[in-house]
Amino acid sequence: AQKITQTQPGMFVQEKEAVTLDCTYDTSDPSYGLFWYKQPSSGEMIFLIYQGSYDQQNATEGRYSLNFQKARKSANLVISASQLGDSAMYFCAMREGQDTGRRALTFGSGTRLQVQP
Amino acid sequence: AAGVIQSPRHLIKEKRETATLKCYPIPRHDTVYWYQQGPGQDPQFLISFYEKMQSDKGSIPDRFSAQQFSDYHSELNMSSLELGDSALYFCASSHNDGGGLYEQYFGPGTRLTVT
Repeated sequence: AQKITQTQPGMFVQEKEAVTLDCTYDTSDPSYGLFWYKQPSSGEMIFLIYQGSYDQQNATEGRYSLNFQKARKSANLVISASQLGDSAMYFCAMREGQDTGRRALTFGSGTRLQVQP
Repeated sequence: AAGVIQSPRHLIKEKRETATLKCYPIPRHDTVYWYQQGPGQDPQFLISFYEKMQSDKGSIPDRFSAQQFSDYHSELNMSSLELGDSALYFCASSHNDGGGLYEQYFGPGTRLTVT
């Protein structure tokens, strides 16, 4: 079974509008972390935001916020006030297990976001 | 701030040749991860090292090997290259001291093309 599912292969959004990128996950481990990364066309992987399974509040980082619904096992990324530079591939990723950072990440298939002027 | 360094950035090899990719983690980071991202695919975990010992193993082919050296840099050795090995290879590093979110910082990647 897929551990991370991103059901939107591509999304369009108008500049200055907000957009939500969906991510659902599957794990039986009570301790896990959820990450979002941005990959521009240049190829680098840029960390955006993190949510721990025990965090009580949704994570926010500037224009990025994570809508964490634990019971639904979803961790959607919300980008507010989209900018042209937000056009990129966005990956949701999970790290499972006791909160030791040595575990590797499992990635979803990604969502390609295009911001239109 | 210092970032993860990978070399070379681009590499072209022929089938059946060997390749060595290098990764220099962020200073004081003790864990290194290698990921492979095929064209249009998500990154797949290959192998990781913690304090110079292999920590975890993913879908790394037997033709590949890796190690972490005393200065914490890591090398991914790839032999008998196949066309399907053409991909972007990422190295990531993190610092695991028992606290924090253990964010993995990714290097710029090495784009390997096998012809």
